[in-house]
Amino acid sequence: DVKVTQSSRYLVKRTGEKVFLECVQDMDHENMFWYRQDPGLGLRLIYFSYDVKMKEKGDIPEGYSVSREKKERFSLILESASTNQTSMYLCASSWGRGADTQYFGPGTRLTVL
Amino acid sequence: AQTVTQSQPEMSVQEAETVTLSCTYDTSESDYYLFWYKQPPSRQMILVIRQEAYKQQNATENRFSVNFQKAAKSFSLKISDSQLGDAAMYFCAPIRLTFGKGTLLTVNP
Repeated sequence: DVKVTQSSRYLVKRTGEKVFLECVQDMDHENMFWYRQDPGLGLRLIYFSYDVKMKEKGDIPEGYSVSREKKERFSLILESASTNQTSMYLCASSWGRGADTQYFGPGTRLTVL
Repeated sequence: AQTVTQSQPEMSVQEAETVTLSCTYDTSESDYYLFWYKQPPSRQMILVIRQEAYKQQNATENRFSVNFQKAAKSFSLKISDSQLGDAAMYFCAPIRLTFGKGTLLTVNP
């Protein structure tokens, strides 16, 4: 079975802190994705990566950056956390580009105070 | 702009009954894949069913089936013989990397 893990299930940070959310997949998937999930807004794509060291902006990249130094790991970085970044963050991975099923991690519920 | 609409924020169904969740979308692409995902309470999102747009036959997966109307850009999910374990948030993803806002399904015993 594909396994996607995220470094923290719950995280509480202060405004202005630098926050790292880590995601690791164990199925050698080419593609990895970061979404944020908010009530009434569904899932919105922040960034994605089709290969190591590659990244592409999604629909809401402002205030975020990403890093993919290894194929299995995709990190989401909040350079200076703000209260409006309080949300559930979901990581996903897949084989192919859009045609393939995405496998999701359990999510990180981030609260920024 | 590509849009996805799930017009039913919440739905409920009696156990063993059938329920249909709607999803419409707008895209200019002609060849694409459509997905329904399920997110149970406090659990990971998982795939329910997948449909290839070039296939005329609607996908079926046990009690789950879709009604795909390509010209109408409609992609509904039918759940037959609903079970308590079907209670979840359901998201359609008919356009690459774009999800609907979700439908919260409650199953009543």
